[in-house]
Amino acid sequence: DARVTQTPRHKVTEMGQEVTMRCQPILGHNTVFWYRQTMMQGLELLAYFRNRAPLDDSGMPKDRFSAEMPDATLATLKIQPSEPRDSAVYFCASGLTTGTSGGFWARADTQYFGPGTRLTVL
Amino acid sequence: AQKVTQAQTEISVVEKEDVTLDCVYETRDTTYYLFWYKQPPSGELVFLIRRNSFDEQNEISGRYSWNFQKSTSSFNFTITASQVVDSAVYFCALSPLDDYKLSFGAGTTVTVRA
Repeated sequence: DARVTQTPRHKVTEMGQEVTMRCQPILGHNTVFWYRQTMMQGLELLAYFRNRAPLDDSGMPKDRFSAEMPDATLATLKIQPSEPRDSAVYFCASGLTTGTSGGFWARADTQYFGPGTRLTVL
Repeated sequence: AQKVTQAQTEISVVEKEDVTLDCVYETRDTTYYLFWYKQPPSGELVFLIRRNSFDEQNEISGRYSWNFQKSTSSFNFTITASQVVDSAVYFCALSPLDDYKLSFGAGTTVTVRA
């Protein structure tokens, strides 16, 4: 049963510290998404990648957040420096996008989510 | 712009009762996907169903059924003979066919009491 995995599951840190969250997408999936869930804002898309290239990170605070895919099996989301308002559950999701015969990329039809990282910044 | 509205914040039922979750959406796109996800107390988001806007057939999967009505922009979800394990937050979501961005509703918390 293929699943998206995320580490750590829980993280408590102090304001100003660097936080790195990791995600392993489902093997064979080429599109990876980062979401943040809070009570106030609900689920928000932060960034997504296809074939390791960033496609859209407009939902992400640029000054302190960064997202990368060092390889096809690992995506990272980093916050430096962290602030109390960053406290949330961070989800990674993956999906499969395939090209069409016309040369245009189809879309990732279904996003499968990981268990999330619950981040608390004190 | 896309918007998903789940008007019911919380629903509480007794086991074996049926429960229907409402989802109303707004979109300017003529083609789109609709989704339902379940978030149990453990916190993960579990994919339940994807519906293409081309296909208005209702779907049944075990005790779950979905009623898609394009004319009223609704995609309602019914759990028949609810069980305690159905207790969770249920999210309805929408995305255009040519864009990855999922727009989620605020979620409906379902509590099934034994």
